[in-house]
Amino acid sequence: GAGVSQSPRYKVAKRGQDVALRCDPISGHVSLFWYQQALGQGPEFLTYFQNEAQLDKSGLPSDRFFAERPEGSVSTLKIQRTQQEDSAVYLCASSLDNGAYLYEQYFGPGTRLTVT
Amino acid sequence: EDKVVQSPLSLVVHEGDTVTLNCSYEVTNFRSLLWYKQEKKAPTFLFMLTSSGIEKKSGRLSSILDKKELFSILNITATQTGDSAVYLCAVSSGGGADGLTFGKGTHLIIQP
Repeated sequence: GAGVSQSPRYKVAKRGQDVALRCDPISGHVSLFWYQQALGQGPEFLTYFQNEAQLDKSGLPSDRFFAERPEGSVSTLKIQRTQQEDSAVYLCASSLDNGAYLYEQYFGPGTRLTVT
Repeated sequence: EDKVVQSPLSLVVHEGDTVTLNCSYEVTNFRSLLWYKQEKKAPTFLFMLTSSGIEKKSGRLSSILDKKELFSILNITATQTGDSAVYLCAVSSGGGADGLTFGKGTHLIIQP
């Protein structure tokens, strides 16, 4: 029974580099979410997919952040020209929720990004 | 803007004590309130609450929601050192399955 998996678990990038973070949701989960969690804070919403459609990207902090889920399963969060303020844990969550019923979100272990 | 406020932000108690963690919220189009436990890794799901006054229980943990006063509490009885974690409260709002708005969490430390 696989849960949500994320890779890499840790990433160190030099300022200005591009990074790509991967999320494998629980099989069959319709909804997928990305969150950013700074040290000592609760997760903050970045973007949401229902299947392959990105329905909400209001939380993406700048146009350097881009997410996709082309086949409605695996998702990638890409950050271009990384800045030090991008250092955080990036959490992915998935849910059965298709908007008609309420289901809880299950979280992956996160990718800890450090920008030096 | 949706807001979730948790209190206290940190709490230290002794094993065997009972603790109550608080979560108040201001959101538009409330759908549900969720509690998660986070121990240096992925938040793990505890409860989802949608209706007022109905207690949800799992072992030594229980939670209840008051939609009139816009708050929820999480109770842990007979605490154990393994209960040490950050407890996150989050609210789902909006017309669709939107992202959760989280509080900052309560950092709970159980001393032996």
